[in-house]
Amino acid sequence: QQQVKQSPQSLIVQKGGISIINCAYENTAFDYFPWYQQFPGKGPALLIAIRPDVSEKKEGRFTISFNKSAKQFSLHIMDSQPGDSATYFCAAWEGTGRRALTFGSGTRLQVQP
Amino acid sequence: EAGVAQSPRYKIIEKRQSVAFWCNPISGHATLYWYQQILGQGPKLLIQFQNNGVVDDSQLPKDRFSAERLKGVDSTLKIQPAKLEDSAVYLCASSLGGGLGRKNEQFFGPGTRLTVL
Repeated sequence: QQQVKQSPQSLIVQKGGISIINCAYENTAFDYFPWYQQFPGKGPALLIAIRPDVSEKKEGRFTISFNKSAKQFSLHIMDSQPGDSATYFCAAWEGTGRRALTFGSGTRLQVQP
Repeated sequence: EAGVAQSPRYKIIEKRQSVAFWCNPISGHATLYWYQQILGQGPKLLIQFQNNGVVDDSQLPKDRFSAERLKGVDSTLKIQPAKLEDSAVYLCASSLGGGLGRKNEQFFGPGTRLTVL
């Protein structure tokens, strides 16, 4: 059962452009939504995260937008750079019950110079 | 600060053989996780330890997979016998605690890429 759906599967953006990755969830027990960045041959690394009581969180060029009623959240990368080329995963944490992370399927981002 | 260490980095085995992976978490991290990442998919939690006790192993195929964390530090994950569908990257992660938020951020190792022929 895919509890966190992520799109698109791949994304090509020009340097300086905006990259947008979308995720949707079904489980209302999720109460923390992190994004991870993974480079080839490396493990995922936490990029930015948001709790459902806020609609937006910004850290540098990275912004999470969160829509609780629609059960959707997205990652925006402003002024995308070639160094941002990586695979991005959204995830959701179930704070009660299982207390574990569920990951989306990933988006491979390529930023062209 | 040293990160999460894993070995080996790569392993190729025949189906029905056994294999073991090793993980050394960040010093002082009480919680340790093993994830399976199949090509093109996100990591899937297999098992979570809090110190040397199992917190969650609901998605661990217990007929062939086993894991232990002796003395609450290093951990090993074993597959016996391996199947073709076990081909994946096995990621180990650790965190200070098992909750959410930056203070309990999960730090991932580089993973072990397993190929089952």
